[in-house]
Amino acid sequence: DGGITQSPKYLFRKEGQNVTLSCEQNLNHDAMYWYRQDPGQGLRLIYYSQIVNDFQKGDIAEGYSVSREKKESFPLTVTSAQKNPTAFYLCASRRGQGHEQFFGPGTRLTVL
Amino acid sequence: EDQVTQSPEALRLQEGESSSLNCSYTVSGLRGLFWYRQDPGKGPEFLFTLYSAGEEKEKERLKATLTKKESFLHITAPKPEDSATYLCAGGVLIDGSEKLVFGKGTKLTVNP
Repeated sequence: DGGITQSPKYLFRKEGQNVTLSCEQNLNHDAMYWYRQDPGQGLRLIYYSQIVNDFQKGDIAEGYSVSREKKESFPLTVTSAQKNPTAFYLCASRRGQGHEQFFGPGTRLTVL
Repeated sequence: EDQVTQSPEALRLQEGESSSLNCSYTVSGLRGLFWYRQDPGKGPEFLFTLYSAGEEKEKERLKATLTKKESFLHITAPKPEDSATYLCAGGVLIDGSEKLVFGKGTKLTVNP
């Protein structure tokens, strides 16, 4: 089955630690995205990548970093510089411009 | 500034009671209006894409329509399993990259 997988489903982090969220897709999509979802707010774009080895900052990139070394993978690192990292993180991919984005199941990150 | 606003924030219906959800947008150069369904703790599930005013799409009890300023998601004779948060997003082209601007969603509850 083609789709997007995210791991882990739940992640707990102590303050001051960096953590990496995994996102993998086997849809052969070029573009991949990371969003953050908080209660009562719309999805906010963190980073996106149109092709391998290239990515751009979204609206709320501060405290986050990404890499795109393979077409299938787009990991997100939440660094200790992110002041309020507790949230639901969603990864998405898209076949081409004008087409819909498909989302993964999400990772819920909690800072203890 | 590109903006998508959904109303109402929450809607409670009785099973079989038809209604509509609204998504108004101010997006320059709209490149698609997207509807998603999101269940609690899960990633959004794609429903529809509308590209031009006057376009309509249907899927089971759902019908999406688009005008030059807003989109409606009509729900006919809803069932309890239609309970979810419905997200609307406008596609925009910024610096040569296509992104989605999301509304905050409408939480629909259908009581049996």
